Amino acid sequence: NAGVTQTPKFQVLKTGQSMTLQCAQDMNHNSMYWYRQDPGMGLRLIYYSASEGTTDKGEVPNGYNVSRLNKREFSLRLESAAPSQTSVYFCASSDRQGVRAEAFFGQGTRLTVV
Amino acid sequence: RKEVEQDPGPFNVPEGATVAFNCTYSNSASQSFFWYRQDCRKEPKLLMSVYSSGNEDGRFTAQLNRASQYISLLIRDSKLSDSATYLCVVNPLRGAGNNRKLIWGLGTSLAVNP
Repeated sequence: NAGVTQTPKFQVLKTGQSMTLQCAQDMNHNSMYWYRQDPGMGLRLIYYSASEGTTDKGEVPNGYNVSRLNKREFSLRLESAAPSQTSVYFCASSDRQGVRAEAFFGQGTRLTVV
Repeated sequence: RKEVEQDPGPFNVPEGATVAFNCTYSNSASQSFFWYRQDCRKEPKLLMSVYSSGNEDGRFTAQLNRASQYISLLIRDSKLSDSATYLCVVNPLRGAGNNRKLIWGLGTSLAVNP
């Protein structure tokens, strides 16, 4: 059972370049999320999707766009990368939207923007 | 006051020791609480949900104190494999689609030494 799969695992971009981070889950979860994790900042939500066809901004959406392509896939796009977007990015999914729903995470993408 | 606060540690303990972490939260209306474990450069994984009456899973015990607004994690008989960062997570909302509001602590680092 693959769970949540993210690609790529590592990426180096030059300032101004664009890229898309891919995420897919095979658990038939409705909700999917993109987080970034920075030292001293903890996990911060970039965007989330409560269900196929819907997306909403999280805490730090500026500079990012997302697409919920279908129930399985949720991609994150950086249109014009900036050094401030150097971070570790995690995709996550969860099933029940109730109070105790557990979030399952992908292995992360380590992005460096130079 | 931060919404979720944890002592960053590191906690250095010998194998077999008992260690406890606390996490305080600022929103008295918070609905649900979790402990996640994160190994170095890996994704977070759910360790325990924290129920109102407290819960135990093997060597791990989680407690909730609503009056004082903190949750705790107790690890008994520490193993080398328990070395990780423990993230406290608070969900302030009730109802459908509320996982977007998960608030993550910065984590407490634990090193179990032989």
